[in-house]
Amino acid sequence: GEQVEQLPSILRVQEGSSASINCTYENSASNYFPWYKQEPGENPKLIIDIRSNMERKQTQGLIVLLDKKAKRFSLHITDTQPGDSAMYFCAANPDSNNRIFFGDGTQLVVKP
Amino acid sequence: EAGVTQSPRYAVLQEGQAVSFWCDPISGHDTLYWYQQPRDQGPQLLVYFRDEAVIDNSQLPSDRFSAVRPKGTNSTLKIQSAKQGDTATYLCASSRDWGYEQYFGPGTRLTVL
Repeated sequence: GEQVEQLPSILRVQEGSSASINCTYENSASNYFPWYKQEPGENPKLIIDIRSNMERKQTQGLIVLLDKKAKRFSLHITDTQPGDSAMYFCAANPDSNNRIFFGDGTQLVVKP
Repeated sequence: EAGVTQSPRYAVLQEGQAVSFWCDPISGHDTLYWYQQPRDQGPQLLVYFRDEAVIDNSQLPSDRFSAVRPKGTNSTLKIQSAKQGDTATYLCASSRDWGYEQYFGPGTRLTVL
């Protein structure tokens, strides 16, 4: 299996600033790290992911970094907007069976 | 393409009652997952299928929970005798066999009184 730790549990930022969420994992075999955004009453939606052959990936104001040596990965949201307010989950996939293990989430609050 | 659909969206039970949840994955997705998401926690995998076969059900409380996917398409998750600790949202997800991205359905929010 896999154990994913996610911090912080709550993150409050001012609109226009950046937000960073950090996750660590235990299983060195993990090779896929997706990030999901979940709004109240909605299903989790994949926003960005990174595979173990990459250290950095960027798309539409989102940056993910992966440090395999430290078993750490992070999500950075640049120029946050109120619409970014949601729960964010990191996850890791430790094997070829497509199982993914989630962190406990970060509640992001973007203040106007 | 149509997304993953689930029903019902909400269920409220007394302890000891039974309930079934239904999931229709995205067409062509061979792999189907059931997750339990307690309030303020991340989704936790209960069971998953590739076509009609169970690949991993090690996290499924087998004395009360069961899951089937008889034709490799729709799936049903059943709780035989619900407990208050089962209160959670039950999410279904699907993915293509060779890919990693999982698409989630809207979930069923279960409350056990």
